[in-house]
Amino acid sequence: DGGITQSPKYLFRKEGQNVTLSCEQNLNHDAMYWYRQDPGQGLRLIYYSQIVNDFQKGDIAEGYSVSREKKESFPLTVTSAQKNPTAFYLCASSISYSNQPQHFGDGTRLSIL
Amino acid sequence: RKEVEQDPGPFNVPEGATVAFNCTYSNSASQSFFWYRQDCRKEPKLLMSVYSSGNEDGRFTAQLNRASQYISLLIRDSKLSDSATYLCVVKSGGYNKLIFGAGTRLAVHP
Repeated sequence: DGGITQSPKYLFRKEGQNVTLSCEQNLNHDAMYWYRQDPGQGLRLIYYSQIVNDFQKGDIAEGYSVSREKKESFPLTVTSAQKNPTAFYLCASSISYSNQPQHFGDGTRLSIL
Repeated sequence: RKEVEQDPGPFNVPEGATVAFNCTYSNSASQSFFWYRQDCRKEPKLLMSVYSSGNEDGRFTAQLNRASQYISLLIRDSKLSDSATYLCVVKSGGYNKLIFGAGTRLAVHP
């Protein structure tokens, strides 16, 4: 089945630690996105990538980093610089530069210890 | 002012009821519009796109009013399984950037 796979489902971060969230898609989509969702708020864009080896900051990129070395993979690293990392992280993909909507993975819940 | 605003609800309705949600957006250059459904602690899933002429998918009807900059979602004959949060989503700008509303919560009871 085609889809977007995020792992792990739950993740705990210690003080000063970097953690990496995985996102893989087999939809052959060019564009991939990372969002953060906090209670009572809409999804906010962290980073996006329109094509392999290219990515751009979204609205809340500080404290996060990404890479896009392969079309199907777009991992997100939450660095120790992100002081409030507890949230629900969602990865999405879409056909690039079109009006197609984005489709989401099932998310990773990150908490700090 | 938020770019996309929704009434957070909750809307508590009995099975079989008709319920409508509105959503307003601030950018008049917005190009595409969607409704997503999000179940508790799950990912958003596309419910339907919203077209200028309005569109229907079974019990769901979406309308767009560009002049007043709002979109609506009408659900007829509500089912228990319709209980969820409904996210209004607007595409703005030159790339595929989606702006998400915070969602409207619907609770359908027996």
